Amino acid sequence: QSALTQPRSVSGSPGQSVTISCTGTSSDVGLYNYVSWYQHHPGRAPTLLIYDVSERPSGVPDRFSGSRSDNTASLTISGLQVEDEAEYYCCAYAGSYVPFVFGTGSQVSVL
Amino acid sequence: QVHLQESGPGLVRPSQTLSLSCAVSGDSMSSPDYYWNWIRQPPGKGLEWIGYIYSNGNTYFNPSLKSRLSMSVDTSRSQFSLRLNSVTAADAAVYYCVRGIIVHRDFDSWGQGALVTVSS
Repeated sequence: QSALTQPRSVSGSPGQSVTISCTGTSSDVGLYNYVSWYQHHPGRAPTLLIYDVSERPSGVPDRFSGSRSDNTASLTISGLQVEDEAEYYCCAYAGSYVPFVFGTGSQVSVL
Repeated sequence: QVHLQESGPGLVRPSQTLSLSCAVSGDSMSSPDYYWNWIRQPPGKGLEWIGYIYSNGNTYFNPSLKSRLSMSVDTSRSQFSLRLNSVTAADAAVYYCVRGIIVHRDFDSWGQGALVTVSS
């Protein structure tokens, strides 16, 4: 099972919107409604941002939103803030053989 | 608010066994809603799912690690553990213990991570 493909880096100015793509296959991203996104600041525990493609856990700002089109999921950060500078990972459920596959990770920089 | 904390040796010799434990506090491990995972991140690389264990002891492992891997759970002590045999340099990573919510197939609570170096 190959890792999901994400852009290596994404950048934007404070207040702007950025979108991170996560490309998989019809056996993972495109098949199950189980795509999740995680924010990871260095030295800290990763945190769940989005689950079930587009659902936000309580406490996650509504600036973070998720979507999917065919085999590509996306995370959009609206109103970019300095504290959003972090690594972001997508993850998809891929069935019974290798249940979970992560994305390659995207570094978000706030210019 | 659940809290997970990894513990174990930070240095393992090649061909030896890597052993880590995860202490869970703030919620019961016995709930059927959760599975208890290990996920790792090698230096400079992305996240890799290692495997999970249910509160009843049933496990599911990444096929790439299955032959070297075992997990255990002790709900009375609120902890679960990982053992990876015959380690090589490729097993050096930050190891995270992570709670997952079964119905959402996600990972909602992560430990801080434990850095494991493989070196003689």
